[in-house]
Amino acid sequence: RKEVEQDPGPFNVPEGATVAFNCTYSNSASQSFFWYRQDCRKEPKLLMSVYSSGNEDGRFTAQLNRASQYISLLIRDSKLSDSATYLCVVRKNGNKLVFGAGTILRVKS
Amino acid sequence: DAGITQSPRHKVTETGTPVTLRCHQTENHRYMYWYRQDPGHGLRLIHYSYGVKDTDKGEVSDGYSVSRSKTEDFLLTLESATSSQTSVYFCAISESVAGENNEQFFGPGTRLTVL
Repeated sequence: RKEVEQDPGPFNVPEGATVAFNCTYSNSASQSFFWYRQDCRKEPKLLMSVYSSGNEDGRFTAQLNRASQYISLLIRDSKLSDSATYLCVVRKNGNKLVFGAGTILRVKS
Repeated sequence: DAGITQSPRHKVTETGTPVTLRCHQTENHRYMYWYRQDPGHGLRLIHYSYGVKDTDKGEVSDGYSVSRSKTEDFLLTLESATSSQTSVYFCAISESVAGENNEQFFGPGTRLTVL
């Protein structure tokens, strides 16, 4: 079983739609949680950190459920420019990050 | 954007040849990492460095070695390339491992094909 599991998608949604991605992690000792975004043939870039109380950044909302070892990302009012692969990332200990394989989002006009 | 460059950006080589990939940063960050990315897998850590001459193994280190003789440069070497090492290789840097400055910034990647 992979340490970080994501639905690979693709999620095909129209502009303006709300879409949610889920991620589960297996190591209960995981300390920090992130969503990274990766455009096609580009490097990953940090989208947002995920805090225990949940956090929002504009149209993006991240939630963490430690009891269920579950992380989510909600995107409201999807834009064409949101099309990318979204990577769920967990920091276990020290400086090591564990990446999920990613969820593909395609926003269509 | 963080100042990270990787060279070469693309390379095709033959099985059994040695290959060295270079990562160069201008941010003076202490931590540097090498990952590989393959379809169906997340990025997987190969090796990382926590200072000049200080390195440690990641989860997929077999067949790879690294060196860091200067803060700004982190080299990844495939001593004898195999077809299973065909992948996209990303270098990353971070200022710290915890707190507000622990974001990892990634280089543009190197596409390596081993025939």
